Amino acid sequence: GNSVTQMEGPVTLSEEAFLTINCTYTATGYPSLFWYVQYPGEGLQLLLKATKADDKGSNKGFEATYRKETTSFHLEKGSVQVSDSAVYFCALSDRGGNKLVFGAGTILRVKS
Amino acid sequence: DSGVTQTPKHLITATGQRVTLRCSPRSGDLSVYWYQQSLDQGLQFLIQYYNGEERAKGNILERFSAQQFPDLHSELNLSSLELGDSALYFCASSFGLAGGETQYFGPGTRLLVL
Repeated sequence: GNSVTQMEGPVTLSEEAFLTINCTYTATGYPSLFWYVQYPGEGLQLLLKATKADDKGSNKGFEATYRKETTSFHLEKGSVQVSDSAVYFCALSDRGGNKLVFGAGTILRVKS
Repeated sequence: DSGVTQTPKHLITATGQRVTLRCSPRSGDLSVYWYQQSLDQGLQFLIQYYNGEERAKGNILERFSAQQFPDLHSELNLSSLELGDSALYFCASSFGLAGGETQYFGPGTRLLVL
């Protein structure tokens, strides 16, 4: 079945550092890929998404590119802020429906 | 604010009891999804409804059931509760069924079974 693997956390960075959170997937066909963010005590918010190979999703300085050849969708940000501290989830949905399959989540802590 | 509302925000109950969680989707959305977030299982899809009909089922226990009403709100019923059912339950909505459509999540209902 479909699955998503994320790098384990927590990831601790200083403010203005470069962020990469790795995400790889296993799926039949061509899934859509998502990054959701969960701030403390809140629900999930869509951060960005890509629906086909080589698409780049971007939002609030975050970027991720859908790489079919490496089945990856790594999240990057050039300069993190303390306010980016949250849990980040990589997810996919397949063409046959829209249910989301999530990775385990990666905790990001940014220190000032 | 995603536009998806869930009630109650917190629920504390005892083993063996039954509870009902309620979700109102974003205005105009026809599809509702339920997810469970727990420490040991992570975020798991439970069930999806579209315009009143069940469309997909995930790892939902037989003790759990759901429905979507004509006004499109949805309820998740959890019965014969066990300690392991303690979790955060999210509802999400999207306009349609197509893969790749953005799902908008509610704030969740935190269930504690004692």
